[in-house]
Amino acid sequence: AQSVTQPDIHITVSEGASLELRCNYSYGATPYLFWYVQSPGQGLQLLLKYFSGDTLVQGIKGFEAEFKRSQSSFNLRKPSVHWSDAAEYFCAVALTGTASKLTFGTGTRLQVTL
Amino acid sequence: DTGVSQDPRHKITKRGQNVTFRCDPISEHNRLYWYRQTLGQGPEFLTYFQNEAQLEKSRLLSDRFSAERPKGSFSTLEIQRTEQGDSAMYLCASSYSGTSGRARNTQYFGPGTRLTVL
Repeated sequence: AQSVTQPDIHITVSEGASLELRCNYSYGATPYLFWYVQSPGQGLQLLLKYFSGDTLVQGIKGFEAEFKRSQSSFNLRKPSVHWSDAAEYFCAVALTGTASKLTFGTGTRLQVTL
Repeated sequence: DTGVSQDPRHKITKRGQNVTFRCDPISEHNRLYWYRQTLGQGPEFLTYFQNEAQLEKSRLLSDRFSAERPKGSFSTLEIQRTEQGDSAMYLCASSYSGTSGRARNTQYFGPGTRLTVL
């Protein structure tokens, strides 16, 4: 069965600093890959996704992610964090082809200090 | 495109009562998903529909849980004889499984229904 690992439960960065959130997956083939963000008590908002093609994908709010097949990773980055980026970030995978259910990691909580 | 909506946003119930949640997907989406999220965890898949057909159910979906999507539009999730362990956020998402378009096979989530079982 596929699995997603987000090794960092909690990360604190200063406003204006760069950010990288890690995501590794275990899968028989390259799955569809997603990053979602969740503010407290809210649903999930899609930041970006990778299906195929260019391994560096751009998303909303200045986020980007790079797919590395050799490392089974899909790390999320932002060059300069804003206080409003404080939230929970989830990496998720789905089967290619059928693209049915999402399997999520346990999330990384981002705290931004001013 | 008004997004995925869920009702109610919050539900407090006593153990043993039945509860029903509603999800309205994005109008052109043919797939609808239910997930459950407990505190400090990522969402876990419960079930999904393509049009009105329920195509997959997780083993998390005990026989106290039932989901329907009778006309391929909105869906309901019912929990019978609620238990304290059912307390969670219930999330609905929708997508379309077309063969083209940037948004295909991409799930968009509603705001969730927070269930508290006392």
